[in-house]
Parts: sequence; C-alpha cells; structure tokens
Amino acid sequence: GNSVTQMEGPVTLSEEAFLTINCTYTATGYPSLFWYVQYPGEGLQLLLKATKADDKGSNKGFEATYRKETTSFHLEKGSVQVSDSAVYFCALMKRGTYKYIFGTGTRLKVLA
Amino acid sequence: TAGITQAPTSQILAAGRSMTLRCTQDMRHNAMYWYRQDLGLGLRLIHYSNTAGTTGKGEVPDGYSVSRANTDDFPLTLASAVPSQTSVYFCASSDRGGDGEKLFFGSGTQLSVL
Repeated sequence: GNSVTQMEGPVTLSEEAFLTINCTYTATGYPSLFWYVQYPGEGLQLLLKATKADDKGSNKGFEATYRKETTSFHLEKGSVQVSDSAVYFCALMKRGTYKYIFGTGTRLKVLA
Repeated sequence: TAGITQAPTSQILAAGRSMTLRCTQDMRHNAMYWYRQDLGLGLRLIHYSNTAGTTGKGEVPDGYSVSRANTDDFPLTLASAVPSQTSVYFCASSDRGGDGEKLFFGSGTQLSVL
C-alpha cells in the first residue's frame, strides 16, 4: 500500500544552519508529493508540492525535489530562522483520489 | 478571510458521553475532511465528504459519524466517547474545482476523554 516515512525528530538547529528533513514514500503509480507545516497552536498549511518526477517545489526558502528513482522528497533550506520552528509533515496523494497519506511529522526547533 | 472555523478549541469529556465537534468553512469548497492527529502516528483520515449530501469513511471511522447537510458545515459526532478518542481533531477542506490537491486546515480541537 501507499506510505510515507520521514525522519524522526526532534531536529534542533542553530539559526542560519542548513536544514534537511528526509522523506521517502511507497506508492503505486505517480503520486503528488507535499510538505505541510504546522506552527504551534495552528492547523497544517501547505508549504510546497510537486506533481511529477524531477519537479522542484519551493516556498519561503524551502525546497524539495521529486526523486522517482529514490522515491524521495527531502525538504531543504539553506539558512533556517527561529520562525521556522514548527512540525513538518511529508505527504502523498495518489492522483485523482484526493486521499492523503501523511508521514508522522518532524519537529524542528531553531535556536537563536 | 476566516477560512475554516472549528469549535470548541478544547474539551474535556467523560467517557460514554456524546459530543459534536463543529466545523464551518467560508470558502465554498466542495470537499471536506476530518483528521485526527496523534503523536507518532501523524494525521489519519476519519471521514470525508466530496460534496454536500455525500460522506465517506476514511482510515479510522469507527466510533465517529458525520453529516454534510450543506456546503459550509461538516460536524463530527462521537456518539459514546472512549479514552482512545483523546486526540487533536482537524477539519480540512479543498476545492475540487480549483487546486483540489491543496488542503486548508482549521486550528484544531483538543479533545480529552476521561
């Protein structure tokens, strides 16, 4: 079946450090891939998405590339800020089904 | 723009009691969803509705029911709460006519069943 695996947290970084949060998936066909972010006390919000192989999603300095050969969609940011502290969820959706599969979330804490 | 409004924000409920979690959206989205968020398990789909008048079961529907009488409202009812239903509940919506793949979330309801 379809599944998403993301790295265990929490991840603690100093401000301006480089961030990578790993995400791999298992799916039949060619799903759409997403990163959602949840700030403290809020619901999730879409950070970025990619819909086909080699697509790169980007937003707010974050990037992720759809890698079909490694079934991965790792989230990266070159220089994190304290305001990036949140929980990040990797997710997939099989095209046309509108049913998401979410990873377990990775908590990021950025220290000033 | 309000987006999705959930109520209450938090609730403590005695086991065996019933409760309805409210969800209202003002974006005229056709699809709506209820998820529960549990530590180490991520988000799991409870029920969904593709359009007003229709509902469907998600991954973990047991003990929950929903209705979709109109486009804007999608209440979730626990008929007889049990401690395993202690969780954070999120309502979400998407616009199937637009970017149907993008979910919009409410701020959640923290429910404790004792």
